[in-house]
Amino acid sequence: GAGVSQSPRYKVAKRGQDVALRCDPISGHVSLFWYQQALGQGPEFLTYFQNEAQLDKSGLPSDRFFAERPEGSVSTLKIQRTQQEDSAVYLCASQPPSGISREQYFGPGTRLTVT
Amino acid sequence: AQKITQTQPGMFVQEKEAVTLDCTYDTSDQSYGLFWYKQPSSGEMIFLIYQGSYDEQNATEGRYSLNFQKARKSANLVISASQLGDSAMYFCAMRDPAYSGAGSYQLTFGKGTKLSVIP
Repeated sequence: GAGVSQSPRYKVAKRGQDVALRCDPISGHVSLFWYQQALGQGPEFLTYFQNEAQLDKSGLPSDRFFAERPEGSVSTLKIQRTQQEDSAVYLCASQPPSGISREQYFGPGTRLTVT
Repeated sequence: AQKITQTQPGMFVQEKEAVTLDCTYDTSDQSYGLFWYKQPSSGEMIFLIYQGSYDEQNATEGRYSLNFQKARKSANLVISASQLGDSAMYFCAMRDPAYSGAGSYQLTFGKGTKLSVIP
């Protein structure tokens, strides 16, 4: 079956540009997470959706970061006025609805490079 | 605040040998979940094994087992019979158990251990 997909896989942006990163979760997964992974580090939580509701955005580093999931499936992470410190891999994960012990299923990530 | 510590930046193991990757955690919660993920060079995080804080038995999944020592707050991953395909980054993670009504089960990750399997 299809896993979590993300696009683009690689994105190069000039400082100050806006970018949009897309995540297609596994069908039927109500929970969706975004993580940021800096080079040589573990992923860090950004935000969480349950269906279309954004229930936790405590990890978003600034108001330049915005995420949405309007129909409860595909999600977009938008970064406005990109800065060099935004360079990282952005990982999306989805989780099935039953059982809180279930693992999160990750996509391949989008590697963002801000020049 | 939760914290995951992986003290081994890199490890080497001979093919077919067993290897232990260390993970210690810090939490004041009684209920929590511990995960290990593998991240190959392709970048995707692959779930390996899960241990709940109330699970009495150590978790096992094929060649992977989790040495859970609750009093020491450690959750080491043991890989038996290493294969060349096991070469990757390995991350220990904890599920945030806080349920404030928002129901966010975010994962807190360590910095990872790079495992290299030598033929």
